[in-house]
Amino acid sequence: KAGVTQTPRYLIKTRGQQVTLSCSPISGHRSVSWYQQTPGQGLQFLFEYFSETQRNKGNFPGRFSGRQFSNSRSEMNVSTLELGDSALYLCASFIGPADTQYFGPGTRLTVL
Amino acid sequence: KNEVEQSPQNLTAQEGEFITINCSYSVGISALHWLQQHPGGGIVSLFMLSSGKKKHGRLIATINIQEKHSSLHITASHPRDSAVYICAARLTNTGNQFYFGTGTSLTVIP
Repeated sequence: KAGVTQTPRYLIKTRGQQVTLSCSPISGHRSVSWYQQTPGQGLQFLFEYFSETQRNKGNFPGRFSGRQFSNSRSEMNVSTLELGDSALYLCASFIGPADTQYFGPGTRLTVL
Repeated sequence: KNEVEQSPQNLTAQEGEFITINCSYSVGISALHWLQQHPGGGIVSLFMLSSGKKKHGRLIATINIQEKHSSLHITASHPRDSAVYICAARLTNTGNQFYFGTGTSLTVIP
């Protein structure tokens, strides 16, 4: 069974631009979570989706948004990028909230 | 104050030593996860607990719901166990959002 796929793996953007990251979950998983990891703040929860519905959202500004499609693939978007948005963005897929999360390799975003 | 506290922050051990990493949380949880992250970023979920104890190979995870505390033990540690270990809890007073500990960086010396 293929694992969680995230694209792109690396991305360089400049301040003010916007970016879209993609996550394809494990086949059969209908839940996807997104996380941001930085050296200063560690891992922080961004959003969680189940069957196209956002079930939970972390404490991030409205510049961070996401969605999930009917095939369970998910995207997150960051608009008006700031230097502090430079981070590793991780996606995890799982069957339900009481189940193990399987993490993707992450997208490393650098904002210049 | 962090909702999820983890200790120690750094740990160096000799190969073969028994290792314990601790995680405490301040409010009710629906589940607690232990994660392992190797250099390069990849994260693997080791355990998910809502009560009791789980064992997988040389790894053991326990949770005490009343004391709001969980531990991850590694028996007969090996250099390949060197990684960052992170606990994460779904806090019930936040609609089951995930909150993470700051991680424990473990180095096992041959």
